[in-house]
Amino acid sequence: GENVEQHPSTLSVQEGDSAVIKCTYSDSASNYFPWYKQELGKRPQLIIDIRSNVGEKKDQRIAVTLNKTAKHFSLHITETQPEDSAVYFCSGGSNYKLTFGKGTLLTVNP
Amino acid sequence: GAVVSQHPSWVICKSGTSVKIECRSLDFQATTMFWYRQFPKQSLMLMATSNEGSKATYEQGVEKDKFLINHASLTLSTLTVTSAHPEDSSFYICSAPVAGTKDTQYFGPGTRLTVL
Repeated sequence: GENVEQHPSTLSVQEGDSAVIKCTYSDSASNYFPWYKQELGKRPQLIIDIRSNVGEKKDQRIAVTLNKTAKHFSLHITETQPEDSAVYFCSGGSNYKLTFGKGTLLTVNP
Repeated sequence: GAVVSQHPSWVICKSGTSVKIECRSLDFQATTMFWYRQFPKQSLMLMATSNEGSKATYEQGVEKDKFLINHASLTLSTLTVTSAHPEDSSFYICSAPVAGTKDTQYFGPGTRLTVL
């Protein structure tokens, strides 16, 4: 089955700086890679996703890159704000079956 | 946009009792729904895929006799934790596929189960 590794487990940045979270996956059949933001006690919220036929996708301050050859993908958040503080999960899979990374606790310090 | 709801949002029960959690798609039909479990400060783990009108598909290591899933209609899936024990205490989250896609899911708000 799929195995998704995520790093770092915690990340602390100053407001306005950029944050980068990296993930790797093992199953070459995986073709869908969504990223979720989860606040304490709340549901995961989809913030951006990328499919295997695309190398990069951007939505305002958030961007995701995918390297199919190396089987890794990354989340980039620019101009971070305190409200970006949360746990971020990468995931990978296909046909709705997702495997999640262990999560990154992002803290944005004012 | 499409909404997935869960009920209850939290439940406390005694060890040995059974607890039923409902997952509903509010404005769309879902022939398939997914059940995840999330222990504190851990990731989401897929437990099973719920299929309307047929048996659920369980992930490896998940006891199907302990976690009973019933997908009785196109808008409702239920997860029953039977003979619950303290180690079953967790955050249970369901999700449903977004119509017109082959991979995107909407997540429910989750149910916090505490077994005393």
